[in-house]
Amino acid sequence: AQSVTQLGSHVSVSEGALVLLRCNYSSSVPPYLFWYVQYPNQGLQLLLKYTTGATLVKGINGFEAEFKKSETSFHLTKPSAHMSDAAEYFCAVTLSGGYNKLIFGAGTRLAVHP
Amino acid sequence: ETGVTQSPTHLIKTRGQQVTLRCSSQSGHNTVSWYQQALGQGPQFIFQYYREEENGRGNFPPRFSGLQFPNYSSELNVNALELDDSALYLCASSGGGTSGGLNTGELFFGEGSRLTVL
Repeated sequence: AQSVTQLGSHVSVSEGALVLLRCNYSSSVPPYLFWYVQYPNQGLQLLLKYTTGATLVKGINGFEAEFKKSETSFHLTKPSAHMSDAAEYFCAVTLSGGYNKLIFGAGTRLAVHP
Repeated sequence: ETGVTQSPTHLIKTRGQQVTLRCSSQSGHNTVSWYQQALGQGPQFIFQYYREEENGRGNFPPRFSGLQFPNYSSELNVNALELDDSALYLCASSGGGTSGGLNTGELFFGEGSRLTVL
């Protein structure tokens, strides 16, 4: 069975500081991995995804994530936080070749303070 | 290009009632999936529809049912509402062409319908 663990339900950083949101997954087969962002009272928006190929994936708004199979991790980073990055972030996993059943983590709420 | 739209945005029901939530998929998408997001949690997969048939279901009881129409829009129906059904219900569309409902790697979500059960 697949699962996702996001370490830290709340993360707080200063504007301009590094953002690091942690995600570990469990999957018996090669996974597809995703990061979604949810702003207040809105649906989810895809930040980036890993399916195959290059393990360092770049997404929108300056975010990137690296797939590390040996560590079963897919941590999300951004070199310099902006106030507009404050939101809820969800890591998700699904099976390649399967139907679109995403398994989401519980989410990490990112706060950015001046 | 029209995104995923859901209605209603908010609604309040009482225990035992029935509710229908609606979703219009993004233009060109033939697959719709529904997720339940309880407060403070990540979304949980309810089911997926492809070409008007359910082709995947999560761990939800039969009182959660759905439909997909020829124009790929969809409905989520919940009977005999319980207090724990209070949540944000998210619709997501994906796929197109010959993807066959299989994982194409990205879902496009609507803003959700927030259901409160009293």
